[in-house]
Amino acid sequence: ILNVEQSPQSLHVQEGDSTNFTCSFPSSNFYALHWYRWETAKSPEALFVMTLNGDEKKKGRISATLNTKEGYSYLYIKGSQPEDSATYLCAFSNRDDKIIFGKGTRLHILP
Amino acid sequence: DSGVTQTPKHLITATGQRVTLRCSPRSGDLSVYWYQQSLDQGLQFLIQYYNGEERAKGNILERFSAQQFPDLHSELNLSSLELGDSALYFCASSAGLAVPYNEQFFGPGTRLTVL
Repeated sequence: ILNVEQSPQSLHVQEGDSTNFTCSFPSSNFYALHWYRWETAKSPEALFVMTLNGDEKKKGRISATLNTKEGYSYLYIKGSQPEDSATYLCAFSNRDDKIIFGKGTRLHILP
Repeated sequence: DSGVTQTPKHLITATGQRVTLRCSPRSGDLSVYWYQQSLDQGLQFLIQYYNGEERAKGNILERFSAQQFPDLHSELNLSSLELGDSALYFCASSAGLAVPYNEQFFGPGTRLTVL
């Protein structure tokens, strides 16, 4: 059974602090890893797509790394701001075109 | 606004009924994906269409079917509805065929409630 695990499930971070969370996925038959940001009452919004082992992507204060050999990806947020409060989803796709989402990390930024 | 539209926004129906959810992808996007978000589950991939043809299948029940029309809009048909089908159904679109190389843009979702 293909499974994508995200940890922690929920996180409270003080405004201005940096944080990171993890996505674990099957390391075999890997094709791509997606990160999405999902604000309450809105739709998921794509942050990054990563395909190669060692990939690092950055968008403003948010960055992500990928390790396909051991099956994990980290998402980092530097200097958290209130607008970063959201659920961060990762999704793994394999060469059989299966797309599996994790249950997300819910991030709360405390003022 | 992602450019992906979904109708209706909300749908309330009874068990045993059949409903159709509609999705219009972003202008120029050829791929459409359908997802289900239930209360206790993460986003579940249901099915993908590319330029009118079924491309990939996920955890889609046999009671559910989808199609993509020549104008690229897509419909998801849910029949013999059960209480457990109550969920938020998202459609997403992307420019090309291959999932890894194309960002997916999500619509606002259709909230289905089966009573």
